[in-house]
Amino acid sequence: SAVISQKPSRDICQRGTSLTIQCQVDSQVTMMFWYRQQPGQSLTLIATANQGSEATYESGFVIDKFPISRPNLTFSTLTVSNMSPEDSSIYLCSGEDGIQFNEQFFGPGTRLTVL
Amino acid sequence: AQSVTQPDIHITVSEGASLELRCNYSYGATPYLFWYVQSPGQGLQLLLKYFSGDTLVQGIKGFEAEFKRSQSSFNLRKPSVHWSDAAEYFCAVGVTGGFKTIFGAGTRLFVKA
Repeated sequence: SAVISQKPSRDICQRGTSLTIQCQVDSQVTMMFWYRQQPGQSLTLIATANQGSEATYESGFVIDKFPISRPNLTFSTLTVSNMSPEDSSIYLCSGEDGIQFNEQFFGPGTRLTVL
Repeated sequence: AQSVTQPDIHITVSEGASLELRCNYSYGATPYLFWYVQSPGQGLQLLLKYFSGDTLVQGIKGFEAEFKRSQSSFNLRKPSVHWSDAAEYFCAVGVTGGFKTIFGAGTRLFVKA
């Protein structure tokens, strides 16, 4: 199974600033996903990131707020733009290796606090 | 629409006791079903999965789950809980055609000595 790392592991940011979260996989994966997990809540899919194409965003999430890059098969970034306290959350990335359908491997998450 | 329901927000069991976490799904076709565990401050780890075949699936850490199509359920069980099993457990269903996974709200497991 793939191993996924994320940077930073946590951050405290000021309102109005932006933060870019990096997600690195130790092997090539077909699809990568970004989730938000608000305190005490389940996971909400933000977008699906495929190499060579624009990310596909879920309802309620837009590219201007959460721009995503996927330059190759092992790396992706999520930027949280113009942050507000409501963006305080854990952001998780995951990868799907395309071998076992839908089986995803998760990174440890980035805990973001916006003041 | 596809959905996953975990009716228990939290459950407390004694160490050594048996455990069953409930999960019901709504999906029009044969589902791909998963159980994930999330320890505090960690990402999600896959416990087990059901794609097809035998409806009783074995996973890691001594967990098993049974798929019951008639009840649209995929309950997670463990015969004897250890203190290290205290965590958040998520049931999930894979949506074909879009490679998306829908997660339930989660059940937090507390283990008392």
